[in-house]
Amino acid sequence: KQEVTQIPAALSVPEGENLVLNCSFTDSAIYNLQWFRQDPGKGLTSLLLIQSSQREQTSGRLNASLDKSSGRSTLYIAASQPGDSATYLCAVPSGGGADGLTFGKGTHLIIQP
Amino acid sequence: SAVISQKPSRDICQRGTSLTIQCQVDSQVTMMFWYRQQPGQSLTLIATANQGSEATYESGFVIDKFPISRPNLTFSTLTVSNMSPEDSSIYLCSATSVAAKNIQYFGAGTRLSVL
Repeated sequence: KQEVTQIPAALSVPEGENLVLNCSFTDSAIYNLQWFRQDPGKGLTSLLLIQSSQREQTSGRLNASLDKSSGRSTLYIAASQPGDSATYLCAVPSGGGADGLTFGKGTHLIIQP
Repeated sequence: SAVISQKPSRDICQRGTSLTIQCQVDSQVTMMFWYRQQPGQSLTLIATANQGSEATYESGFVIDKFPISRPNLTFSTLTVSNMSPEDSSIYLCSATSVAAKNIQYFGAGTRLSVL
């Protein structure tokens, strides 16, 4: 059964810092990995999807890397801003032929102005 | 991208009653899913909603408790039956397609409180 772990569980930093959020998964037979953002009282917003054949994906100040063999992914946030405050979730396909996702518990990020 | 609308956005229900949540996608999608997010927890997959056939449920979830319908490519419903306070959660619908390169898009969720 696929399990996803995210470290740290919470992070509070001053504005402008560069951040790294970590995600690990137990079953490396995945075909993609997705990073989401969840704001309080709202649904999930997809940030980046990395295919298993890719090593990284970039969108603006966000960069996600994938090391499938070691079961790890990182989300790098450059020059953090207060608007980046949210919970960041990592998810991989659950496996067994299903396309539903298994999520980590998330990293609750606060960027202090 | 796909825009997903869920109704209702929130509800407060009495123990023993049932609530049906609707999910509408603005474009045809291949796969639709239902998730539960219990207070302070991450998302857990309930089931895959299959068009025109019975949903595929994850371990720990059963059709009698969470009946799901998907009559076409853009619409699905989830019913939470015979509710108890333990069913108080956020229920989210998601959808994806090959055209969307398997990116999963989510609705805003339905916040359910059971008294």
